[in-house]
Amino acid sequence: QSVLTQPPSVSAAPGQKVTISCSGSSSNIGDNYVSWYQRLPGAAPKLLIYENDKRPSGIPDRFSGSKSGTSATLGITGLQTGDEAEYYCGTWNTILNDFFYVFGSGTKVTVL
Amino acid sequence: QVQLKESGPGLVKPSETLSLTCAVSGYSISSGYYWGWIRQPPGKGLEWIGSIYYSGTKYYNPSLKSRVTLSVDTSKNQFSLSLSSVTAADTALYSCARRVGAAWDYWGQGALVTVSS
Repeated sequence: QSVLTQPPSVSAAPGQKVTISCSGSSSNIGDNYVSWYQRLPGAAPKLLIYENDKRPSGIPDRFSGSKSGTSATLGITGLQTGDEAEYYCGTWNTILNDFFYVFGSGTKVTVL
Repeated sequence: QVQLKESGPGLVKPSETLSLTCAVSGYSISSGYYWGWIRQPPGKGLEWIGSIYYSGTKYYNPSLKSRVTLSVDTSKNQFSLSLSSVTAADTALYSCARRVGAAWDYWGQGALVTVSS
């Protein structure tokens, strides 16, 4: 059971927009930066968003991130067939004196 | 371009120790950043195992801490993972990655490790 909750799947037609939520708590998202990753089948995860809303070089602006309170959201506009993948959020989690990195449960994006 | 590549046995027997190495090219580990291991069991999500700095500072996932050891070899520009007393639940795709702040920016392709007798 992941500390960060994501919807198992989202879908939309090509050209449309999808949003993926990542719900956590004050121990993780509420107090830390969130990042987002795309895992295409058979490929290494790719960093899409870091520090809540920043895109690394080379990531198109079709991908956007935001954070509010203890939740974060990844948006993908102009959906393409190449966007079909698993998407994960990630952040630090702090419990007492222990801190460790946690990932969301993952969301499968399907382009209809 | 920073590249990471995992290597190690693809099959480990139950109760034995899983050992993997991550070779880094295009960047010197001694220059900074944390380096870590993340795994993904079949059909499941990502799980952080632990992180290590070139100086040897380490952080482990509390759920695996008693069985995990990370080490770094700056002379070979690589770092390693040892996971003891493995069971079938440790079967997963093991990936190494570089951490920048709260994000993992470079990842290896991953190494599939199966625990089976």
